[in-house]
Amino acid sequence: QQQVKQSPQSLIVQKGGIPIINCAYENTAFDYFPWYQQFPGKGPALLIAIRPDVSEKKEGRFTISFNKSAKQFSLHIMDSQPGDSATYFCAATSQSNFGNEKLTFGTGTRLTIIP
Amino acid sequence: DTGVSQNPRHKITKRGQNVTFRCDPISEHNRLYWYRQTLGQGPEFLTYFQNEAQLEKSRLLSDRFSAERPKGSFSTLEIQRTEQGDSAMYLCASSLAAIFWGYPFPEAFFGQGTRLTVV
Repeated sequence: QQQVKQSPQSLIVQKGGIPIINCAYENTAFDYFPWYQQFPGKGPALLIAIRPDVSEKKEGRFTISFNKSAKQFSLHIMDSQPGDSATYFCAATSQSNFGNEKLTFGTGTRLTIIP
Repeated sequence: DTGVSQNPRHKITKRGQNVTFRCDPISEHNRLYWYRQTLGQGPEFLTYFQNEAQLEKSRLLSDRFSAERPKGSFSTLEIQRTEQGDSAMYLCASSLAAIFWGYPFPEAFFGQGTRLTVV
């Protein structure tokens, strides 16, 4: 059962453009929503994360928008660069799991930024 | 390098053989997770340790899989009688329990993974 749905599967954007990756979740117990960036041959690395008590969070060129009522959240990358080309995963977890903050991941979006 | 370290990076094995992977978490981290990632998919939770205690196992973890974390330090994941369906990237992550509920959220740091190919 996929609890976090992610789209699109792949995305090609020209340098300077704003790629947007969308995720939707089902489990209302989720209370922490991180985004991970993964380069080939590497493990995922935390990029930015948000809690459901805010609707937007910005860190540098990365912004998360969160819609609690729709159970959706998205990642925007401003002024995208070729170095941003990677696979991006949204994830969700709950702190009510008695310390087990296991992550439920989306299926990933392969982003390519062309010069 | 003070990040999460996994060994080996790659493992090719014949079907039916046993394999063991090792994960060295960030030294002060008390939580350790194993995930499995297949091609084109996101990582899936396998199991979780709080110090040396294994507190949860996913239904994905069949009886052929066993994980240990002796003394709450490094962890090993063993797969017995490997099958072709076990071919995947096995990721280890560690985190430090939050001081109090809610903030800061314990960030999970991932290793580079062990890629297993069963032929």
